[in-house]
Amino acid sequence: DGGITQSPKYLFRKEGQNVTLSCEQNLNHDAMYWYRQDPGQGLRLIYYSQIVNDFQKGDIAEGYSVSREKKESFPLTVTSAQKNPTAFYLCASETQGVRGNEQFFGPGTRLTVL
Amino acid sequence: AQTVTQSQPEMSVQEAETVTLSCTYDTSESDYYLFWYKQPPSRQMILVIRQEAYKQQNATENRFSVNFQKAAKSFSLKISDSQLGDAAMYFCAYRRSGTYKYIFGTGTRLKVLA
Repeated sequence: DGGITQSPKYLFRKEGQNVTLSCEQNLNHDAMYWYRQDPGQGLRLIYYSQIVNDFQKGDIAEGYSVSREKKESFPLTVTSAQKNPTAFYLCASETQGVRGNEQFFGPGTRLTVL
Repeated sequence: AQTVTQSQPEMSVQEAETVTLSCTYDTSESDYYLFWYKQPPSRQMILVIRQEAYKQQNATENRFSVNFQKAAKSFSLKISDSQLGDAAMYFCAYRRSGTYKYIFGTGTRLKVLA
């Protein structure tokens, strides 16, 4: 089945460690996104990528890094520079369909810093 | 900068009744898209309905419809014949035409009472 997978579902990190969240899609979508979700704040954009080997910072990119070496994959690294990384992280991809642009979301990764 | 505001943190509706969720936005653009997303307890985001700003006709998808008031910059979601499965967080989102960036509101938690 086509879709977006994120792994792991739960992730624990010690302070000072970098950690990488995986996002894979087999929908053949060009655009991919990373969002952070905190209670009461909705979704905030971290990074997005329109095509392979290209990505742009969102509103809260500090302390995060991404790569887009393959169309299917858009991993997010949470670095030790991120002051408060405990949050729920959502990955999405986007297609231009008959109804226009539509984002499809993965199931998310819950990151907890110990 | 564009902003999206959802002023109702939580709403309740009796099963089979109708409920309206509010969303206002601020933009100086004339060409844009508006979306309502549903996030059930599984936390998987699902697109409910979308509206193109250039279309005067309000979008509908089965029991879901919107009241789009462009001049007032208002985009409310009406859910008719509410069902227990409609219980979720609902997010309003904005996207300027020609860009890849989405802006989300803070969400409204909808409870459906049996």
